[in-house]
Amino acid sequence: QDQLVESGGGVVQPGMSLRLSCTASGFTFGHYSFYWVRQAPGKGLDWVAGISYDGSETHYAESLKGRFTISRDNSRNTVYLQMDSLTVEDTAVYYCARAGARLLRSRVDPWGPGTLVAVTS
Amino acid sequence: DIQMTQSPSSLSASVGDRVTLTCRASQNIATYVNWYQQKPGEAPQLLISSILSFQSGVPTRFSVSGSGTEFTLSISSLQPEDFATYYCQQGHSMPITFGQGTRLEIK
Repeated sequence: QDQLVESGGGVVQPGMSLRLSCTASGFTFGHYSFYWVRQAPGKGLDWVAGISYDGSETHYAESLKGRFTISRDNSRNTVYLQMDSLTVEDTAVYYCARAGARLLRSRVDPWGPGTLVAVTS
Repeated sequence: DIQMTQSPSSLSASVGDRVTLTCRASQNIATYVNWYQQKPGEAPQLLISSILSFQSGVPTRFSVSGSGTEFTLSISSLQPEDFATYYCQQGHSMPITFGQGTRLEIK
């Protein structure tokens, strides 16, 4: 069964950093691109970042460029999201999701259960 | 960026009703749309992908149509498990964008 599990969330103070991990199982990790998507409490879905199957191509939501970095380790079946200079507006559940071989024009499935990041003083 | 606008934002309906949810793109995205269903406290789940006509395991009461800038998700006969929030997402170009969601509630 294709599965994604996020980890690394928690409660942090404004200005701090956090690294999220997304570990995959049940499929050939290196064949797929991945997204991070977040959802603030009571709000809709916001795409955060995407990375190609080999890590050579990355894209970010414009408002997050320079603070968030997506990466992957194909030997560990894991995608990462490094989040720096966190603000209260970054408080959300962060989901990892599998795209296709290409970053675009593909279905996005499955999704992990999410990990909660709470930024509070 | 491509804006995705869903309507209505919320909808009250009864079991057995037929409903249609709409998603409009700010520019032509061909058929590169995915639809998701999200229930409270759960992660979104891919419902239907117009991109690859993917609908494995989805009840036949769900159907999608549209291309270009206007897309619809229809549910032919609502079941209790269908009451949820539905999101559309364009996969045409970066950045990926989602609609704001349509909350489907029991009347």
